[in-house]
Amino acid sequence: GDSVTQMEGPVTLSEEAFLTINCTYTATGYPSLFWYVQYPGEGLQLLLKATKADDKGSNKGFEATYRKETTSFHLEKGSVQVSDSAVYFCALNNNAGNMLTFGGGTRLMVKP
Amino acid sequence: EPEVTQTPSHQVTQMGQEVILRCVPISNHLYFYWYRQILGQKVEFLVSFYNNEISEKSEIFDDQFSVERPDGSNFTLKIRSTKLEDSAMYFCASSGGTAYEKLFFGSGTQLSVL
Repeated sequence: GDSVTQMEGPVTLSEEAFLTINCTYTATGYPSLFWYVQYPGEGLQLLLKATKADDKGSNKGFEATYRKETTSFHLEKGSVQVSDSAVYFCALNNNAGNMLTFGGGTRLMVKP
Repeated sequence: EPEVTQTPSHQVTQMGQEVILRCVPISNHLYFYWYRQILGQKVEFLVSFYNNEISEKSEIFDDQFSVERPDGSNFTLKIRSTKLEDSAMYFCASSGGTAYEKLFFGSGTQLSVL
């Protein structure tokens, strides 16, 4: 079945550091890929998405590129802020239904 | 931005008891979902609901679970006879379209089965 694997956290960075959170997937067909973010005490929010190979999703300074050849969708940000501290979830939808398959989540902590 | 509202935020129940988790999706959304996250594990899909019926469900969503949209605004998840392993954070979500579209999640109900 479909699956998503994320790097385990927590990831601890200083403010203005470069962020990469790795995400790889296993799926049949051509899934759509997503990054969701969960800030403390809140629900998951869509951060960005990409629906086909080589698409780049971007939002709030975060980027991720859909790499079919490596089945990856790594999340990057050039300069993190304390307010980026949250849990980040990579997910896929295999376009055969309404189900999102999530990775385990990666907690990011940014220190001033 | 519109929000999905879940109540209660925490629910404690005894094993074997029935529990109902409540959600108010965004008003003009058509698709409704329940997900759960057991502590330290992945967020797992339970069920999707569209046009007043279940459109998709996972293996987790067995006969002990049911969903209902009793009126035009609420969406509920019922667990008929809770088990210890049902302890988890339960997230409700809604979307205007399919899961390719943006899902709006509630902040969750933490269910503890004792």
